[in-house]
Amino acid sequence: GAGVSQSPRYKVAKRGQDVALRCDPISGHVSLFWYQQALGQGPEFLTYFQNEAQLDKSGLPSDRFFAERPEGSVSTLKIQRTQQEDSAVYLCASSLDGSFYNEQFFGPGTRLTVL
Amino acid sequence: AQTVTQSQPEMSVQEAETVTLSCTYDTSESDYYLFWYKQPPSRQMILVIRQEAYKQQNATENRFSVNFQKAAKSFSLKISDSQLGDAAMYFCACLSNSGYALNFGKGTSLLVTP
Repeated sequence: GAGVSQSPRYKVAKRGQDVALRCDPISGHVSLFWYQQALGQGPEFLTYFQNEAQLDKSGLPSDRFFAERPEGSVSTLKIQRTQQEDSAVYLCASSLDGSFYNEQFFGPGTRLTVL
Repeated sequence: AQTVTQSQPEMSVQEAETVTLSCTYDTSESDYYLFWYKQPPSRQMILVIRQEAYKQQNATENRFSVNFQKAAKSFSLKISDSQLGDAAMYFCACLSNSGYALNFGKGTSLLVTP
């Protein structure tokens, strides 16, 4: 594929359910990022992978959030026991490497609604 | 730590006119990149233009240009000859050379009227 893809595009969960959000980065991109975008806000950093290594997870809001990238390509963001405050758009981005001069390419996002 | 401030929640421009979106930032880093991203209603974030802090010349990409004032920590985006397709949320972002995570402002919603 030409760009970053994410699935599902929309997810509705009942409070307390677990959800898994998938990101397929651009082929060959070493770096992968997850951002959370609340309604009416700019995206906020959640976590960063370089290949399969999670180098920074300082932005994850609680221990209910977990991300993995086991083979250094596809990544999954898992949220356990979802709460209403988890409702947001979750954006994935990838870049060639983690260098600050390399552009981050974004996926279309997954809109999570927790009822 | 870096902060990015966009003080205009909404802006409106007529087709073919020029509009300027404002952004200020704060960083203690010596070198960094500044970005403007466009997010149409489909939500895919698209890079519009970027500027490396040590370059004094303002970046330009077709109808999009920036006014980078390093001392004032200001980074505004000028859109010339506005088109209906320019309607979107515009986010200003900063990335330091010691980091990798983009720091975004809250965005400006641009409306383009015929």
